[in-house]
Amino acid sequence: GAGVSQSPSNKVTEKGKDVELRCDPISGHTALYWYRQSLGQGLEFLIYFQGNSAPDKSGLPSDRFSAERTGGSVSTLTIQRTQQEDSAVYLCASSSQGGHYGYTFGSGTRLTVV
Amino acid sequence: GNSVTQMEGPVTLSEEAFLTINCTYTATGYPSLFWYVQYPGEGLQLLLKATKADDKGSNKGFEATYRKETTSFHLEKGSVQVSDSAVYFCALNLGGATNKLIFGTGTLLAVQP
Repeated sequence: GAGVSQSPSNKVTEKGKDVELRCDPISGHTALYWYRQSLGQGLEFLIYFQGNSAPDKSGLPSDRFSAERTGGSVSTLTIQRTQQEDSAVYLCASSSQGGHYGYTFGSGTRLTVV
Repeated sequence: GNSVTQMEGPVTLSEEAFLTINCTYTATGYPSLFWYVQYPGEGLQLLLKATKADDKGSNKGFEATYRKETTSFHLEKGSVQVSDSAVYFCALNLGGATNKLIFGTGTLLAVQP
């Protein structure tokens, strides 16, 4: 596609429910990243996929968070048993040339846990 | 560790004023440096970048020079417009196995007419 597409754009969920956030990267981009943007916390790295390599999961805040990338394209970020502190904007980005040349970000999913 | 420090906001300027947003970094290697901008209600957009020392990135009237000796990448614009009001993020990338961007906390710029 022309850009990085994320869905849904907004999600309100009840505490304790599971949620799935989707990212469709730019076609041909081999690298895909998930970040979290919380009020007052800046941008926090969550996970990185590069081609067929094992993902770098070092930024996932707890074992309630997981992500997968199917067929080297679409990625899904799953948050189990959501908590109020999970409320944030979840941003996806993709890159074709590695991070030295910058990423293209999607518009994000705003998650609100009530 | 690797980190980015940028000046806290908000920065409030009148239209046509000169803008500087300071950014310094700590890195164990030779990073690429970036400025991203987030306009109200929108996602992050790459504003400019520099991949090696002494490089100058520029775009839309904004400039930043990669200064290895001072580990800085300050953002400047000679004459801001109301439409420049946004949050500006400085970031670095060391490449290698992870290739992840490390961001500063962002600086809110508000330009008044």
